[in-house]
Amino acid sequence: EAQVTQNPRYLITVTGKKLTVTCSQNMNHEYMSWYRQDPGLGLRQIYYSMNVEVTDKGDVPEGYKVSRKEKRNFPLILESPSPNQTSLYFCASSSWTDQETQYFGPGTRLLVL
Amino acid sequence: DAKTTQPTSMDCAEGRAANLPCNHSTISGNEYVYWYRQIHSQGPQYIIHGLKNNETNEMASLIITEDRKSSTLILPHATLRDTAVYYCIVRVAGDSNYQLIWGAGTKLIIKP
Repeated sequence: EAQVTQNPRYLITVTGKKLTVTCSQNMNHEYMSWYRQDPGLGLRQIYYSMNVEVTDKGDVPEGYKVSRKEKRNFPLILESPSPNQTSLYFCASSSWTDQETQYFGPGTRLLVL
Repeated sequence: DAKTTQPTSMDCAEGRAANLPCNHSTISGNEYVYWYRQIHSQGPQYIIHGLKNNETNEMASLIITEDRKSSTLILPHATLRDTAVYYCIVRVAGDSNYQLIWGAGTKLIIKP
């Protein structure tokens, strides 16, 4: 089954404790991205990757890092989480020829205390 | 900032057509209109997209006005499972990729 998976689905942590949210897709997609969603707002793009070893900032990259060492994986790293990073996070992937038709993961709900 | 304006919420009776409007008066000539939906905090799901012509697929129809300043998503026979937040999105060209600019969406409630 074609899918995007994220782990963990729920996470409670404390300020300053480094964490990683994993994202994996099995559709051989070149394009992957991370979004955050906050109440009353649409999705805002954090980082995106056009292919292996190619990443770039989205609209709200501050406080986040990403890496793309393999085509299928695109982890999101919070080196020193802060309460304002409490949010619902989505990973998405799409093919190079159809970047805008994105397939989304189930989401990771993060609470930073 | 989002380039689209949608009603905050709408109701529709089960079995009827749901018509969701969207205004995008500042859209440029080469910018596409996309529709996604999100069911109860799940990952958004692609529905349909278009540039100028009306489009139809197995999920919905998209009607774009001739001046392209607005569009309507039509779910022909709404079911309870269509209850979701529907996002009308304009695709803009960034420095090195295309970007979807998401707004707050319309919460569509299908009533029995």
